[in-house]
Amino acid sequence: RKEVEQDPGPFNVPEGATVAFNCTYSNSASQSFFWYRQDCRKEPKLLMSVYSSGNEDGRFTAQLNRASQYISLLIRDSKLSDSATYLCVVKGQNFVFGPGTRLSVLP
Amino acid sequence: EPEVTQTPSHQVTQMGQEVILRCVPISNHLYFYWYRQILGQKVEFLVSFYNNEISEKSEIFDDQFSVERPDGSNFTLKIRSTKLEDSAMYFCASREGVSSYTDTQYFGPGTRLTVL
Repeated sequence: RKEVEQDPGPFNVPEGATVAFNCTYSNSASQSFFWYRQDCRKEPKLLMSVYSSGNEDGRFTAQLNRASQYISLLIRDSKLSDSATYLCVVKGQNFVFGPGTRLSVLP
Repeated sequence: EPEVTQTPSHQVTQMGQEVILRCVPISNHLYFYWYRQILGQKVEFLVSFYNNEISEKSEIFDDQFSVERPDGSNFTLKIRSTKLEDSAMYFCASREGVSSYTDTQYFGPGTRLTVL
């Protein structure tokens, strides 16, 4: 089983849609969890950390289920500018990146 | 806002040549990282550095690779004898690392390495 797996995508959604991304991780000792976004040929940029109680930042909501080793990201009212690849990142001993899920928000 | 910087933005080299990629982490950060991303693939961990020594490295980080923090600000990645398969984007990252609440890594803009 790969260390961090994500929905393969791509997701093509209209503006205003709600979209959800899933991520699973294999290392039960993982301590910290993050969602990053990466635009084409750019560096990953932190979108949000993911806390056990779940957390929300504007249109973005992240959930963590430690028992199932599962992380999710929900984007509401998607904008054209949300088009990017979303990376699930899990920290055990080091930071492990998922392969990413590409999102295209269409006008 | 403080940021991680990397130079050069693009490096073209001949196979077998040595390259040094440079990074200036955020000044109060304690942990430094190098990652690589081959075009179209995922971001892969290479090495982490703390307290002036390597703390972890992946199997990608073989004897051809080395890291150094030659002064108080720069953090370098050296590839001794480049191979075609070293062509990738190399990202430097740093994090404050004082507590679990400062686990967030900040990435530099990357150096695109092309080996011919």
